[in-house]
Amino acid sequence: DTAVSQTPKYLVTQMGNDKSIKCEQNLGHDTMYWYKQDSKKFLKIMFSYNNKELIINETVPNRFSPKSPDKAHLNLHINSLELGDSAVYFCASSHAGQSYGYTFGSGTRLTVV
Amino acid sequence: GENVEQHPSTLSVQEGDSAVIKCTYSDSASNYFPWYKQELGKRPQLIIDIRSNVGEKKDQRIAVTLNKTAKHFSLHITETQPEDSAVYFCALGGGTSYGKLTFGQGTILTVHP
Repeated sequence: DTAVSQTPKYLVTQMGNDKSIKCEQNLGHDTMYWYKQDSKKFLKIMFSYNNKELIINETVPNRFSPKSPDKAHLNLHINSLELGDSAVYFCASSHAGQSYGYTFGSGTRLTVV
Repeated sequence: GENVEQHPSTLSVQEGDSAVIKCTYSDSASNYFPWYKQELGKRPQLIIDIRSNVGEKKDQRIAVTLNKTAKHFSLHITETQPEDSAVYFCALGGGTSYGKLTFGQGTILTVHP
């Protein structure tokens, strides 16, 4: 059983398109996150949700819209994709908004051409 | 806000040598200091962590030391092996971060056989 699963694993799309990445966790955690890892490997948080409520919203363009239908799912929708959005996006989860006990998903490599 | 500087950015050692990676931070409210290992194309995986009430923690060949006064913490790997080659990230958490992890810039460790 995969604890935190993301789909798709790879995504290649043209500039201007809209795409979504899905994340699901079966760990019973109530907090989920999206992190972006750029080409220099720098990992930075984008959003976090606790029990479907937005907790953290870092300085991210509003073309990025997270959605959490329930505490086991956190999806990321990106409108009007730009070249600079190319990166690896990692979903993660933890319990009760704690920094410890994180589990990362396997990542989605997004390439915008 | 939180900020963490990680050095060196690259580290090359011979098999059997020790490797040390250091991180310095500014937010005194941080109280959780994990280290992650990321192999090529894989997700970040927690290898060791320390909380602010402990100065040192060891797990086999890996140890982490924390100096809260000086605001730095370090990862020590002894008897390095080629399979230790990866990117290592320090991170900050806890305090009022609501589960957010702030990552260092990463260190590419290469262990030569």
